[in-house]
Amino acid sequence: KNQVEQSPQSLIILEGKNCTLQCNYTVSPFSNLRWYKQDTGRGPVSLTIMTFSENTKSNGRYTATLDADTKQSSLHITASQLSDSASYICVATGGSQGNLIFGKGTKLSVKP
Amino acid sequence: NAGVTQTPKFRILKIGQSMTLQCTQDMNHNYMYWYRQDPGMGLKLIYYSVGAGITDKGEVPNGYNVSRSTTEDFPLRLELAAPSQTSVYFCASSYSVGEHGELFFGEGSRLTVL
Repeated sequence: KNQVEQSPQSLIILEGKNCTLQCNYTVSPFSNLRWYKQDTGRGPVSLTIMTFSENTKSNGRYTATLDADTKQSSLHITASQLSDSASYICVATGGSQGNLIFGKGTKLSVKP
Repeated sequence: NAGVTQTPKFRILKIGQSMTLQCTQDMNHNYMYWYRQDPGMGLKLIYYSVGAGITDKGEVPNGYNVSRSTTEDFPLRLELAAPSQTSVYFCASSYSVGEHGELFFGEGSRLTVL
């Protein structure tokens, strides 16, 4: 069954600290891995898209990594800011119809 | 560009009522999607469209209908609303599928069925 598991479910960190969010996926055939940021009450916004041949991709203070062999991805946030407080959603694309499989998200809270 | 615009943002329905969630995009994207997001769950695909006049069912289509008469508009129709349809609905669009198919989401429509 195609699915995406994210951990932790929620995370609280202090402003200025770094953190890493995890994503494991079982999608076959696999096409790409995406990370989205969703602020409370808003729609998701794309952070990165990586194909199976890409190991890492950065977007400002956000760096995503992908290990297609172990089917794992991580999102590293550097020098967190209060505005990073949001849910971060991992999405694996693939399957027989190129479907997007959404994880449940990790809720990050950055405290001053 | 306004991107993807959804209306209404909030709506309360009584069981058995019907309504249409509107979605329009100004990016000339061929692909459009409707998702629902339930608390603590990942987004689920309701319907999608690969171009004007073409629609297809997603993972959870029961109780919904769509139409795509123009490239810009992709309304979602709820017939005979049920409490199980209480959710946040997101419309999205993309230029293509695959690694270049970045999804652009609307701000969401929060629907409560009582």
